[in-house]
Amino acid sequence: GESVGLHLPTLSVQEGDNSIINCAYSNSASDYFIWYKQESGKGPQFIIDIRSNMDKRQGQRVTVLLNKTVKHLSLQIAATQPGDSAVYFCAENDAGGTSYGKLTFGQGTILTVHP
Amino acid sequence: NAGVTQTPKFQVLKTGQSMTLQCAQDMNHNSMYWYRQDPGMGLRLIYYSASEGTTDKGEVPNGYNVSRLNKREFSLRLESAAPSQTSVYFCASSGISGVVLTFGAGSRLTVL
Repeated sequence: GESVGLHLPTLSVQEGDNSIINCAYSNSASDYFIWYKQESGKGPQFIIDIRSNMDKRQGQRVTVLLNKTVKHLSLQIAATQPGDSAVYFCAENDAGGTSYGKLTFGQGTILTVHP
Repeated sequence: NAGVTQTPKFQVLKTGQSMTLQCAQDMNHNSMYWYRQDPGMGLRLIYYSASEGTTDKGEVPNGYNVSRLNKREFSLRLESAAPSQTSVYFCASSGISGVVLTFGAGSRLTVL
């Protein structure tokens, strides 16, 4: 999950394992959630999104689960690869019916994949 | 297809100096955003422009100004830089999807 301060949560896995990255969000009115991946020296890159009327969505090797009851979001990465090593951010949006996004980001989780 | 392009990539300023970070997108997106990222923290929204001709404050707007020059370009200006503005700045844009932001590579600013 997310933490306060300069020490980001970290997750270390072996290549081929499945990874689960957790995120607790704060705004019960948020209606859209996104996971981003950020590699060192680069901007965040979109991975997968989910709307608040869903509880699960699958992509290629990734699955996002949403539990609105406890305001919890998770990203599951199947068969994790060294190229998956990065910082992963969850972001929430309370669009309020607008057509643009003012995302609020979590502090991130560092994923390290060992060959 | 370049996506979102930011310049400069690196900049060092002295306290009190001014500068402008430039951002351009070639995806015909309506909305553009400026975020800052500090060590160990997520991104925080400085300003955004929902559409051409409009700008609004985000979470941390103090010390910054923005200009949506046209649909493609959205600049961020620091009028009198302070050490607290040392950060990595990211420009982003979003189109029809609305909330899915495409980010630039970032501009690393150091204020001495």
